[in-house]
Amino acid sequence: AQSVTQLDSHVSVSEGTPVLLRCNYSSSYSPSLFWYVQHPNKGLQLLLKYTSAATLVKGINGFEAEFKKSETSFHLTKPSAHMSDAAEYFCVVSRYGGSQGNLIFGKGTKLSVKP
Amino acid sequence: DTAVSQTPKYLVTQMGNDKSIKCEQNLGHDTMYWYKQDSKKFLKIMFSYNNKELIINETVPNRFSPKSPDKAHLNLHINSLELGDSAVYFCASSQGGVGWKSPLHFGNGTRLTVT
Repeated sequence: AQSVTQLDSHVSVSEGTPVLLRCNYSSSYSPSLFWYVQHPNKGLQLLLKYTSAATLVKGINGFEAEFKKSETSFHLTKPSAHMSDAAEYFCVVSRYGGSQGNLIFGKGTKLSVKP
Repeated sequence: DTAVSQTPKYLVTQMGNDKSIKCEQNLGHDTMYWYKQDSKKFLKIMFSYNNKELIINETVPNRFSPKSPDKAHLNLHINSLELGDSAVYFCASSQGGVGWKSPLHFGNGTRLTVT
């Protein structure tokens, strides 16, 4: 069965410092993994996706994530946080192979950015 | 020119009432979804329609009934509302029900409060 675990419910960083949001996954087969971002009172937006191509995936707004099979991890990083990055971030695995629609969401990590 | 629009944005109602949430997408996508986000921000898929045909129907009470009059619309009707139905409901769409190449596009959510 597929599942994702976001290791931190809340991460707080200062503006201009690096961001690390951690995600571990469990999958019966080669997973498709995604990170989505949700700003307050907004719907979710896809940041990036891993679909068995390059293990280092670049997304929008300077975010990237690295797929590490040996560690079953898909951590999200950004070199320098911006105030506008403050939001809720969800690590997501596809339930059946590559299907976008049937997704399993992690419980989210709230990112706070201090000035 | 919002891509996925839901109405209403807020819905406050009493237990036992029947209510509907409407969703429309103007992206030309053929697949639409309803997701439920609980108070802890946990997101779970409820339904998925592809070309007006139900393809995902998770374990939700049969008080919830989706209706897709055409592939641009997916409405959610809820009968006999209960306190536990209070949540944020997100509509989403994508091109291709099983294709991962098309990301999900989410609406901004409908916050349902049952009193």
